Amino acid sequence: GAVVSQHPSRVICKSGTSVKIECRSLDFQATTMFWYRQFPKQSLMLMATSNEGSKATYEQGVEKDKFLINHASLTLSTLTVTSAHPEDSSFYICSARGGAAQETQYFGPGTRLLVL
Amino acid sequence: GENVEQHPSTLSVQEGDSAVIKCTYSDSASNYFPWYKQELGKRPQLIIDIRSNVGEKKDQRIAVTLNKTAKHFSLHITETQPEDSAVYFCAASSTGGYQKVTFGTGTKLQVIP
Repeated sequence: GAVVSQHPSRVICKSGTSVKIECRSLDFQATTMFWYRQFPKQSLMLMATSNEGSKATYEQGVEKDKFLINHASLTLSTLTVTSAHPEDSSFYICSARGGAAQETQYFGPGTRLLVL
Repeated sequence: GENVEQHPSTLSVQEGDSAVIKCTYSDSASNYFPWYKQELGKRPQLIIDIRSNVGEKKDQRIAVTLNKTAKHFSLHITETQPEDSAVYFCAASSTGGYQKVTFGTGTKLQVIP
């Protein structure tokens, strides 16, 4: 149980385009989903917390108009990187929390974004 | 907010030896402490967790200890194997509501065959 999927796994796009990343909890209802960004050899940097049916809570320094988050259902959250630039290239990972063990976060496999 | 420090940043051990990773946290309200293992290019995987109502938890070769008074917790891996090589992250959070988890900076463990 507690499987989280993420799509796409890799994406290459041109500068100025928008990219949407999907995060799904496959076998449980995720009351809360989190979006992280991870640079090479670094820790997970929380970008925002997403609660179903409400606006996401963004961490300090994260532009909410740049990184649009939608949590439309208890099993799906999306992150859209708008007008992507090369500095947005990174590994984006979502996690979901909910179900029997409310504290535990289960991570998706991540999406590697490369903006040319 | 919560601040989690993790040491060491890198750790090399011989196969069969033990490895210890230590973390400290700042928020006394934190009561849930998971540990994650992340292999290169893959997702973090929960390997063990501990709640503040216990001081130690074991799962085969892995154990975690928690000292609430000192606000520190540690991961112990015994009889290390090459497949234990990965980056390990500690984390802290408080339960209830929509509390976020704060991660440590990670420890790259290398087990030398």
